[in-house]
Amino acid sequence: QVQLEESGGGVVQPGRSLRLSCAASGFTFSSHGMHWVRQAPDKGLEWVAVISGDESKKYYLDSVKGRFTISRDNSKNRLYLQMNSLGSEDTAVYYCARGPTGAIDYWGQGTLVTVSS
Amino acid sequence: DIQMTQSPSTLSASVGDRVIITCRASQSVSSWLAWYQQKPGKAPKFLIYKASTLESGVPSRFSGSGSGTEFTLTISSLQPEDFATYYCQQYDTYPYTFGQGTKVEIK
Repeated sequence: QVQLEESGGGVVQPGRSLRLSCAASGFTFSSHGMHWVRQAPDKGLEWVAVISGDESKKYYLDSVKGRFTISRDNSKNRLYLQMNSLGSEDTAVYYCARGPTGAIDYWGQGTLVTVSS
Repeated sequence: DIQMTQSPSTLSASVGDRVIITCRASQSVSSWLAWYQQKPGKAPKFLIYKASTLESGVPSRFSGSGSGTEFTLTISSLQPEDFATYYCQQYDTYPYTFGQGTKVEIK
């Protein structure tokens, strides 16, 4: 069965960096586009970024462009999100998600990122 | 960016009720619309894609309709496990965007 497990969340000071990781299993990872979606405390869902299966295409939410980088290692079945220049507005649960067509069919359980001094 | 607006934001209903949630897009998204269910502390669950196609394993009491800018999610007979927050999402144009959510509460 499809499994997605995020790691790397935690408390980070404003302006610092953090890298999230997502371990995928139960499907052919390299064949699927993958997303990061976040949810601030008691707020709705916000799409963050997507990467194609072959890593040739990447798209970002405007507010994270230039600060966040999505990447993947198909040999390790892993998805990453490098987050730089973090601000309080980036505090959220970050979900790794599979989205072969744009609709997101599987979600991880999420990892909490708290930006605070 | 395409804005997705759901209504109502909160809905109070009883078991057995028919529930309709509306999602409007600020511009046409064709049929590239999905619906998700989320319960507190849990990841969202995929319900419907391409506006009206039910994901495998989702109960048939859930249905979706619409195209262009107006969409609906209908629960034909609300069950206790359906009390949750529902989100629509357009995947026609980047950045993908979600509605603000509709919380279905027990009346």
